[in-house]
Amino acid sequence: DTAVSQTPKYLVTQMGNDKSIKCEQNLGHDTMYWYKQDSKKFLKIMFSYNNKELIINETVPNRFSPKSPDKAHLNLHINSLELGDSAVYLCASSPRAGTLSFSGNTIYFGEGSWLTVV
Amino acid sequence: AQSVSQHNHHVILSEAASLELGCNYSYGGTVNLFWYVQYPGQHLQLLLKYFSGDPLVKGIKGFEAEFIKSKFSFNLRKPSVQWSDTAEYFCAVLDTGRRALTFGSGTRLQVQP
Repeated sequence: DTAVSQTPKYLVTQMGNDKSIKCEQNLGHDTMYWYKQDSKKFLKIMFSYNNKELIINETVPNRFSPKSPDKAHLNLHINSLELGDSAVYLCASSPRAGTLSFSGNTIYFGEGSWLTVV
Repeated sequence: AQSVSQHNHHVILSEAASLELGCNYSYGGTVNLFWYVQYPGQHLQLLLKYFSGDPLVKGIKGFEAEFIKSKFSFNLRKPSVQWSDTAEYFCAVLDTGRRALTFGSGTRLQVQP
């Protein structure tokens, strides 16, 4: 029944490793997002996809690469992990981008994936 | 560029006290504003949102917020807090151009029994 689900929920890995976080939504939404929440709880958008098309690509290192195989899935792959990548990565989804300003539409968030790089 | 400021970083209240969390935004387009709550270990949940119309918006769990255009503010209020309201609260503005939310830095609310 979970609307936006992410796996894994917790991930501890060593510097230099490559890891992926997966996200799936069963809401029938067209738009999906990745946000990063740092140790001070600050939330910043990283990427958004609308129906498998990349819409937002913030100034994040190119070690981060999103992939959307279909509109219900948005995965995040991180190469050569660094200590500073430790954070909570939040996946989200919303109805078709451009309709967000209409009442009743909102962005739904997953529970987050807690990444710790040691 | 749009931005959101939450000046209260950490608020400590006793149960039954009244709550007001400040939120100021900067955005040149049509304003759509949100308050989200994040309970410990849980995901972000929508408390309330403003798109247009009545500037006083009521949300879940007894929360409300007032949009004051002249002050660029969207403060969150609750008349009487409960211990279960302990959480992190985030104000956000929708960037309709980029079609994404810009969040404030969050306010940690701690309610003591």
